[in-house]
Amino acid sequence: GNSVTQMEGPVTLSEEAFLTINCTYTATGYPSLFWYVQYPGEGLQLLLKATKADDKGSNKGFEATYRKETTSFHLEKGSVQVSDSAVYFCALISNTGGFKTIFGAGTRLFVKA
Amino acid sequence: GAGVSQTPSNKVTEKGKYVELRCDPISGHTALYWYRQSLGQGPEFLIYFQGTGAADDSGLPNDRFFAVRPEGSVSTLKIQRTERGDSAMYLCASSSGQGPSTDTQYFGPGTRLTVL
Repeated sequence: GNSVTQMEGPVTLSEEAFLTINCTYTATGYPSLFWYVQYPGEGLQLLLKATKADDKGSNKGFEATYRKETTSFHLEKGSVQVSDSAVYFCALISNTGGFKTIFGAGTRLFVKA
Repeated sequence: GAGVSQTPSNKVTEKGKYVELRCDPISGHTALYWYRQSLGQGPEFLIYFQGTGAADDSGLPNDRFFAVRPEGSVSTLKIQRTERGDSAMYLCASSSGQGPSTDTQYFGPGTRLTVL
């Protein structure tokens, strides 16, 4: 079945460091891929998405590129801020039947000043 | 505008009892999703509504779980004969209904269910 695997956390970085959170997936067909973020005390919200291979999603300085050849959708940011401290979830929706969104387990990011 | 709201925010019940969890989606959103999230895990899909009908209920874990959306807006998730393993955060999301593959899902704050 479809699945999402993301790197375990927590990830601790200093402010202005480069961030990568790895995400790989297993899916039939051509899924749409998403990154969601949950800030402390807030609900889940969409950060970015990509709906086909080689698409790059971007938002708030974060980027992720849909790589079909490596079945990956790694999240990157060039310079993190303390306000980026949150839990990040990679997710997919397959286009081969059903409407189930599959989430990874989440990666907690701590950014120190 | 108002976002997705869920009530109650917390629910404590005893094993074997019946509970109802309510979700008010964003006005005009035709698609509605329910998820369950255990501590330290990602959300687990339960059911997806398009309008009044359940387009995909493949995530409901067993027949103790049931959800309705009779008028295509508010939805209620119903759990019968609750078990301790049902304790989790229950999340609701809504979207415009153009299609799950492209829609942005807007999540509510969740209902934390504790079964004693």
